[in-house]
Amino acid sequence: DAGVIQSPRHEVTEMGQEVTLRCKPISGHNSLFWYRQTMMRGLELLIYFNNNVPIDDSGMPEDRFSAKMPNASFSTLKIQPSEPRDSAVYFCASSPDGPMNTEAFFGQGTRLTVV
Amino acid sequence: QKEVEQNSGPLSVPEGAIASLNCTYSDRGSQSFFWYRQYSGKSPELIMFIYSNGDKEDGRFTAQLNKASQYVSLLIRDSQPSDSATYLCAVNSGAGSYQLTFGKGTKLSVIP
Repeated sequence: DAGVIQSPRHEVTEMGQEVTLRCKPISGHNSLFWYRQTMMRGLELLIYFNNNVPIDDSGMPEDRFSAKMPNASFSTLKIQPSEPRDSAVYFCASSPDGPMNTEAFFGQGTRLTVV
Repeated sequence: QKEVEQNSGPLSVPEGAIASLNCTYSDRGSQSFFWYRQYSGKSPELIMFIYSNGDKEDGRFTAQLNKASQYVSLLIRDSQPSDSATYLCAVNSGAGSYQLTFGKGTKLSVIP
């Protein structure tokens, strides 16, 4: 398996533009997570899906952020409109259902810069 | 609010020494604990997990858990320059959830 695949790897956009980040989880994994990583705040969970259903979106910073998982093999995180403070590395991770030692596998991340 | 605290470092140790990384967590109901390593510009990768009190060894790595003190640590024996990275502590609260709460990480530098 190729692992968790994210696209694009890098994105530079102007303030006010819409940004869409994409993720393909590992086949067979039931849970999908979107994280944001910054120097100041570390790795923050934005939203967590299980079997394509959003379970916890309490980490989504505000209404400008939205996430969807239309099927088991694809998820998007959209920011509209984008702001400079959204600049960060966004990671997607997936894990199978299993015991409490279940590992989350991370994609390579999307480095977003909003200017 | 669930919190996971780590010393940000940097922690510098000479090659061949033992590196000790520490983590505390606020949710007393937390059930499983993970250590991830993240090289600069890369994604986190799992090193070890632990969910029972005591020590768990895997090669040069030992994870230690003390639930009464809400404390988990990672020891790296015979540290190598290739161990230089940021180490992230992550906690799963259980209760059927697979989501992890991460600390901000400790940056380790192993000096040749």
